[in-house]
Amino acid sequence: AQSVTQLGSHVSVSEGALVLLRCNYSSSVPPYLFWYVQYPNQGLQLLLKYTTGATLVKGINGFEAEFKKSETSFHLTKPSAHMSDAAEYFCAVSKGDDKIIFGKGTRLHILP
Amino acid sequence: DGGITQSPKYLFRKEGQNVTLSCEQNLNHDAMYWYRQDPGQGLRLIYYSQIVNDFQKGDIAEGYSVSREKKESFPLTVTSAQKNPTAFYLCATRQGTAGNTIYFGEGSWLTVV
Repeated sequence: AQSVTQLGSHVSVSEGALVLLRCNYSSSVPPYLFWYVQYPNQGLQLLLKYTTGATLVKGINGFEAEFKKSETSFHLTKPSAHMSDAAEYFCAVSKGDDKIIFGKGTRLHILP
Repeated sequence: DGGITQSPKYLFRKEGQNVTLSCEQNLNHDAMYWYRQDPGQGLRLIYYSQIVNDFQKGDIAEGYSVSREKKESFPLTVTSAQKNPTAFYLCATRQGTAGNTIYFGEGSWLTVV
């Protein structure tokens, strides 16, 4: 069965510092991978996704993620954190059927 | 305005009552999903539907029921059999194949009082 592990339920970074949110997946076949962001009391919004092709994926708001098959990872990064990046982030995986499995989420805190 | 509409945003239920959460979409997407969100547990799949008049159980279907009589609508009923229904419920849709983006509504808060 496929699964998603997000390391760290809470991550704090200073404004202007590098953001790194970790995601590892398990899947028996090449997966489709997603990162979503959720602001309080709202639904989830897609940041970026990997389907095929280039392993470095660029998304909205300056975020990017790299698919590393050998490490079964899809970590999310942003070079310089902004206060508006404070939110909860979810990694998700789909292996080609209609089910999408989400990780437990990482809450990102931005320190002034 | 296009998108996914969930209603109500906030709902209070007495123990022993059934309640129905509405999800309507005008994106013309085939697949629709219901997720439950609890703090620290991420999103867990309750039910999903790929076509009208067909749906499948997700990982936590017990105590819930759904219907898909129209493409645009996928209501979720939380029955009295659901022992801990207080949560944030999210409806989502997707068009086409599994690699496509899944889109979310704004969610509904259900509280048992």
